[in-house]
Amino acid sequence: ILNVEQSPQSLHVQEGDSTNFTCSFPSSNFYALHWYRWETAKSPEALFVMTLNGDEKKKGRISATLNTKEGYSYLYIKGSQPEDSATYLCAYSLFSGGYNKLIFGAGTRLAVHP
Amino acid sequence: DTAVSQTPKYLVTQMGNDKSIKCEQNLGHDTMYWYKQDSKKFLKIMFSYNNKELIINETVPNRFSPKSPDKAHLNLHINSLELGDSAVYFCASSQDFFRSANTEAFFGQGTRLTVV
Repeated sequence: ILNVEQSPQSLHVQEGDSTNFTCSFPSSNFYALHWYRWETAKSPEALFVMTLNGDEKKKGRISATLNTKEGYSYLYIKGSQPEDSATYLCAYSLFSGGYNKLIFGAGTRLAVHP
Repeated sequence: DTAVSQTPKYLVTQMGNDKSIKCEQNLGHDTMYWYKQDSKKFLKIMFSYNNKELIINETVPNRFSPKSPDKAHLNLHINSLELGDSAVYFCASSQDFFRSANTEAFFGQGTRLTVV
């Protein structure tokens, strides 16, 4: 069984705080690691897709790093704003049996309080 | 313009009924998916089609039957609905995921199915 673990499950921070969460995934048969942002009543939207060990990606105040050898990725949010409140999902792309599929974690629910 | 649209958004139906959820994408993607959000909030893949061909069929009861009339559409038909089928179902698409797993998936807004 291949599991993607995300921690913490939920997080409450004050506006202006910086925060980070973790995604752990199996390091074997790794193909890609995806981060998605999912606001309530909306669709999950892709933030980053990373493939190489040591990859770092940035979009505005949000950045992510990837360690494929030890099987983890961090997502960082600098100076959190209320509009950053959402569930952040990571998904591990497994290549098996001739095709790829995404295995999702349960997400980290972030609430940013003004 | 909604990239991935699924209808209906909400569906309340009685046990034993047959229902369909429709999904359309206007992104020109080759690959489409159905995911189910389970009780623990995980998104679990149910089916994936690539160019109208079924590629992934996870352990899903055969009451669930996907149909892809063309590569822009992937509909989900459910026969003999049961209480346990109540969940949120998400459609998604991506550009040729099977050759390039580093392409992102685009999701619809979900269909909340309630079986009573």
